[in-house]
Amino acid sequence: GEDVEQSLFLSVREGDSSVINCTYTDSSSTYLYWYKQEPGAGLQLLTYIFSNMDMKQDQRLTVLLNKKDKHLSLRIADTQTGDSAIYFCAERASGTYKYIFGTGTRLKVLA
Amino acid sequence: EPEVTQTPSHQVTQMGQEVILRCVPISNHLYFYWYRQILGQKVEFLVSFYNNEISEKSEIFDDQFSVERPDGSNFTLKIRSTKLEDSAMYFCASSALAGDPYNEQFFGPGTRLTVL
Repeated sequence: GEDVEQSLFLSVREGDSSVINCTYTDSSSTYLYWYKQEPGAGLQLLTYIFSNMDMKQDQRLTVLLNKKDKHLSLRIADTQTGDSAIYFCAERASGTYKYIFGTGTRLKVLA
Repeated sequence: EPEVTQTPSHQVTQMGQEVILRCVPISNHLYFYWYRQILGQKVEFLVSFYNNEISEKSEIFDDQFSVERPDGSNFTLKIRSTKLEDSAMYFCASSALAGDPYNEQFFGPGTRLTVL
């Protein structure tokens, strides 16, 4: 069945780069998303990538997709304390509305 | 900036009671969703809703659950007879389109349901 896995915690120092990893099992995944959740708030879309892409860059965010290994990563350059949040990886197959989410990675940025 | 809102933020209920969780999606959106997250577990899809009917549902969404869009603005999730294992954070989401590749789903802040 479909499954998305993420590590639960990541701690980095302010100014360093953060890399959050995600693996998925559904080979029909067409769209992959990264969402951010701050305390008391909903999930906010950060970026997405189509399965026919290898990389996408958006300001401080870089998404890398390895389709062969079904591995997705989110790199945050120059991580700031405001980046502390839970980051969710999600995938969606073509023809379906539902997102399959991972457990979320809690990123803690140390000053 | 438009946003999805949910009420209440926290609901406590007794096992066996009915609960209704309310959501106000973004006003021009056409597709509506419910997800839930049991503490420490993944965010799970429950149901999607379009044109006043369910488009897709997961195996979690059994006969105890129902959804409704009673007027032009609200979107509700009803749990008929709550069980302890229904305790979770319930997220509502909406999107403008489902067919486009992007299909950003906008999420509300969630309702934490606690069943005692």
